Parts: sequence; C-alpha cells; structure tokens
Amino acid sequence: DAGVIQSPRHEVTEMGQEVTLRCKPISGHNSLFWYRQTMMRGLELLIYFNNNVPIDDSGMPEDRFSAKMPNASFSTLKIQPSEPRDSAVYFCASTLRGGTDTQYFGPGTRLTVL
Amino acid sequence: GNSVTQMEGPVTLSEEAFLTINCTYTATGYPSLFWYVQYPGEGLQLLLKATKADDKGSNKGFEATYRKETTSFHLEKGSVQVSDSAVYFCALTYNTDKLIFGTGTRLQVFP
Repeated sequence: DAGVIQSPRHEVTEMGQEVTLRCKPISGHNSLFWYRQTMMRGLELLIYFNNNVPIDDSGMPEDRFSAKMPNASFSTLKIQPSEPRDSAVYFCASTLRGGTDTQYFGPGTRLTVL
Repeated sequence: GNSVTQMEGPVTLSEEAFLTINCTYTATGYPSLFWYVQYPGEGLQLLLKATKADDKGSNKGFEATYRKETTSFHLEKGSVQVSDSAVYFCALTYNTDKLIFGTGTRLQVFP
C-alpha cells in the first residue's frame, strides 16, 4: 500500500495568497484527520471527517481555513488568504474506522508564508 | 477535560543506555493509550498501544504498561540505539475518534 499521500511536500508562498494542501488517504479508510505542527503549539488537530462528512472542526483556527472531502479518496485543506503565522507542517492522517484504530500519517506539507 | 502530560525533553543518552519517558494522563473514564514516534522529516507512526488497564504494549524493544492506579503510561526500552533518535508522543482517546497528544519528547542517542 502506498500509505497516506500528501502534496505538495513543500510550499512557499507570499502573504495574502491562497494555499491548497492535498491528501489522499489509504484506500478503504473511513476517517481522515488534518493536523498542524509548530514548535510553539505542538501538534494540533484542525478537523476530521468520518465517511467524508466533517465531524469536528473546532480546531480550525479561523474562517481563513476550510477543508473539504468530496470523496473517500481525496481531501483538501485551503487557506485564503494566507498569513506568516500559518507557517507550519500540515499532516493528514487516516484510520480504518477511527476510535482506537491506528492513525496512519502522511509525510506532511511544510508551508512557509513570507 | 482529557489531557496528556509528558516529560520535557530533550532526553540525551548514550547508545545501549536504558530509556524511560514519562507520560501521565487525565481522563474522565478509562481511555486507550498510545505512543507515536516521529523520525526527522517524517509523519508520526504508531509505536505501541494499550486499550485497557494493566495491558502492556510492546514493539521494537519498547514497552509501556497501562497503569490505572497512577494514570501513567511510561515508555521504556532496555538498550537504545542511535536509530531510536526521534520525537516520542504519548496520546489518548476516549469515546471519540480524536487523539489527544502530549507535547512530545525529543530523544537523542549518541554513539
């Protein structure tokens, strides 16, 4: 299995630009999670989906962030407009059923907003 | 609310030394407990887990025992290797799909 796939691996953009991060979960997995990791705040859960439906988006920082999961094999996290404080590594993870099932993480997207 | 507290890092050890990374939790019930590891430049991966009290999770020479009495899930390894250098995260889940992570502990092993 290819594992969780994220693209791009690195993104450098200027403040005010729109950024779209992409994730392909492991085939057959029903739950998908978006995390953000920074030195200051550690690992934060932004949003998660079960069966393509957003369940909990309480971690989304503000209206500039949005996430979609149009089908079982694809999800996007969009930041519009981006700000320097959004610079972080963004991880996508998927699990078979959620709960105590293992979360499989992608390699992450390192975002730098100048 | 539910939370996880890990010891501050970095933990610096020589190869073949004994490792302990402390983790304690606060939860309203009996959560499932996990250790995830993050190697440089990679995403997190599950190292081991325990889903009920007194369970011992083990993998790659690492062990952790779910201690209900002390609300702890300390990670141990008898003899660390340079390749174990990474960041280790303790986490819990309880009646939800969400994992609650600790702040992570960086382990550095020198030859």
